[in-house]
Amino acid sequence: AQSVTQPDIHITVSEGASLELRCNYSYGATPYLFWYVQSPGQGLQLLLKYFSGDTLVQGIKGFEAEFKRSQSSFNLRKPSVHWSDAAEYFCAVGSFGQGGKLIFGQGTELSVKP
Amino acid sequence: DVKVTQSSRYLVKRTGEKVFLECVQDMDHENMFWYRQDPGLGLRLIYFSYDVKMKEKGDIPEGYSVSREKKERFSLILESASTNQTSMYLCASRPPRDRDEQYFGPGTRLTVT
Repeated sequence: AQSVTQPDIHITVSEGASLELRCNYSYGATPYLFWYVQSPGQGLQLLLKYFSGDTLVQGIKGFEAEFKRSQSSFNLRKPSVHWSDAAEYFCAVGSFGQGGKLIFGQGTELSVKP
Repeated sequence: DVKVTQSSRYLVKRTGEKVFLECVQDMDHENMFWYRQDPGLGLRLIYFSYDVKMKEKGDIPEGYSVSREKKERFSLILESASTNQTSMYLCASRPPRDRDEQYFGPGTRLTVT
């Protein structure tokens, strides 16, 4: 079955520390992948997306993600976290020809300590 | 900028009421989606529409219906609201090109008492 797993429900990091949020997927077709962020009480905002080509993609707000086909992973990273990064993060996967439908992971809530 | 708006940010309804959630997008997108978001479950697709009057069931359509009479508007209908439909509802739209993302509205938090 097609699925997306974000193994960490909640992560706490100190401001200035590095961050890595994990995302693993199980998908039969060639995937395209997204990371979205949701601030409290808000809708989802796209951080970055991967369709093909360079497996390291850069996004907004200093985030990047690396697609590793052999590990079925698309982990999100940031070298130095800011207090404003506290939010919920969602990984999603889709494929061509599916009408843009996505499968979302369960989400990872990020807290930032001062 | 793409703008997706939802008619209400917060809504409180009683069990058995018929509930309408409205979503409007201003970018002439063909595809529109309704999700519900619950803690620990992420976003789950209820219905989506790929054109006016066209709809397709998502993963959890039971208890819901949709309407798309105009391209810019996609409505989610709870025929007879139940307490287990208390949730955050998110609408999204997307152009038909494969390499485009979904654009989300701010969400409607629905409480059914």
